Amino acid sequence: AQTVTQSQPEMSVQEAETVTLSCTYDTSENNYYLFWYKQPPSRQMILVIRQEAYKQQNATENRFSVNFQKAAKSFSLKISDSQLGDTAMYFCAFASGGGADGLTFGKGTHLIIQP
Amino acid sequence: GAVVSQHPSWVICKSGTSVKIECRSLDFQATTMFWYRQFPKQSLMLMATSNEGSKATYEQGVEKDKFLINHASLTLSTLTVTSAHPEDSSFYICSAEIGTSGRGSYEQYFGPGTRLTVT
Repeated sequence: AQTVTQSQPEMSVQEAETVTLSCTYDTSENNYYLFWYKQPPSRQMILVIRQEAYKQQNATENRFSVNFQKAAKSFSLKISDSQLGDTAMYFCAFASGGGADGLTFGKGTHLIIQP
Repeated sequence: GAVVSQHPSWVICKSGTSVKIECRSLDFQATTMFWYRQFPKQSLMLMATSNEGSKATYEQGVEKDKFLINHASLTLSTLTVTSAHPEDSSFYICSAEIGTSGRGSYEQYFGPGTRLTVT
């Protein structure tokens, strides 16, 4: 079974700063997917970024980028030029690549962007 | 973009009654849908995988007779909480899978969730 660990329950940064959220995972699989989801107070899950394990290049989506270290099983999210609207819970998630599996989520990091 | 809806968004029911939650993919067909449960200030926990035209696959510890899942079409999956008790009060979220797994495209899109309160 896979496990996903987010060791930062809460983080707080000033607006416009850069923040990195950490995530580690454990799996014996070689083919899988990793995700970062944002859950604002509305509780709607929003996909932030996705990484395929077979791709060496780190995924980037505008101000969001990841540092994917496959050997270390680490998948951190960097948010540049943070905005007030980035305030939310952020969940790291794992999906097996072998079939149609659900996601295994970490416990989440509550990110607060201060004005 | 892919849109998933849930109905109702909030439901209150009395202990011992059953309640049905619907999950619909509005602009795509979803062979596979998933049901998650989220307690306050906690993460999402996968409850079951719903496959169109076949029986759902439940995660360990989830009572299949209590949480009935039906995936009758490629755009609709339902979760029925039977004989609900206060401890079943939670936030239930569904998601639908787009594309193929393996080395193909793989994404899940989430519904807005249903808050269930059992009194």
